Amino acid sequence: DVKVTQSSRYLVKRTGEKVFLECVQDMDHENMFWYRQDPGLGLRLIYFSYDVKMKEKGDIPEGYSVSREKKERFSLILESASTNQTSMYLCASRLGGGEANEQFFGPGTRLTVL
Amino acid sequence: GQNIDQPTEMTATEGAIVQINCTYQTSGFNGLFWYQQHAGEAPTFLSYNVLDGLEEKGRFSSFLSRSKGYSYLLLKELQMKDSASYLCAVLDSNYQLIWGAGTKLIIKP
Repeated sequence: DVKVTQSSRYLVKRTGEKVFLECVQDMDHENMFWYRQDPGLGLRLIYFSYDVKMKEKGDIPEGYSVSREKKERFSLILESASTNQTSMYLCASRLGGGEANEQFFGPGTRLTVL
Repeated sequence: GQNIDQPTEMTATEGAIVQINCTYQTSGFNGLFWYQQHAGEAPTFLSYNVLDGLEEKGRFSSFLSRSKGYSYLLLKELQMKDSASYLCAVLDSNYQLIWGAGTKLIIKP
């Protein structure tokens, strides 16, 4: 079974802090994704990566950056957290070579910015 | 713009059948996914349709009509554990997933 893990289930930070969210997958997947999920809205793509050291902006990249130094790890960084970044953050991975492959999700990190 | 519509909430009775609809308008189409998400948990894959017709997988079936921009997820013999949100997502022309807001399904005894 594919396992995608995220560093924290719950996180509380203050406005202006730098926040790191870590995601690790154990099935050698090429593609990794960061989403945020808010009530009444669909999952919104922040950034994704097709390979090590590669990154692409999604629909809402403003205020975020990412890092993929190793194939299994994809980090999301909030350079200066703001209250409107309070949300559920979901990481996903997918086997490359076919976009129809399903995405496997981590358990999510519920971030609160005060 | 790109748009995926699904009902916000539905209620059904244990043992019954429920159909969750999804309509979409996207720039291109390369397939449609259904995911299940229990409260506080990660979404998990249910089905993928790229050709018109019905795909059956146990108690769950998914239907697609590309000409109508329409899909539905059919759940039979409902169980209490089926209480969850059901997410519809379309793979667009850039092979990016566009997600609906999800349908919260409430099962009553």
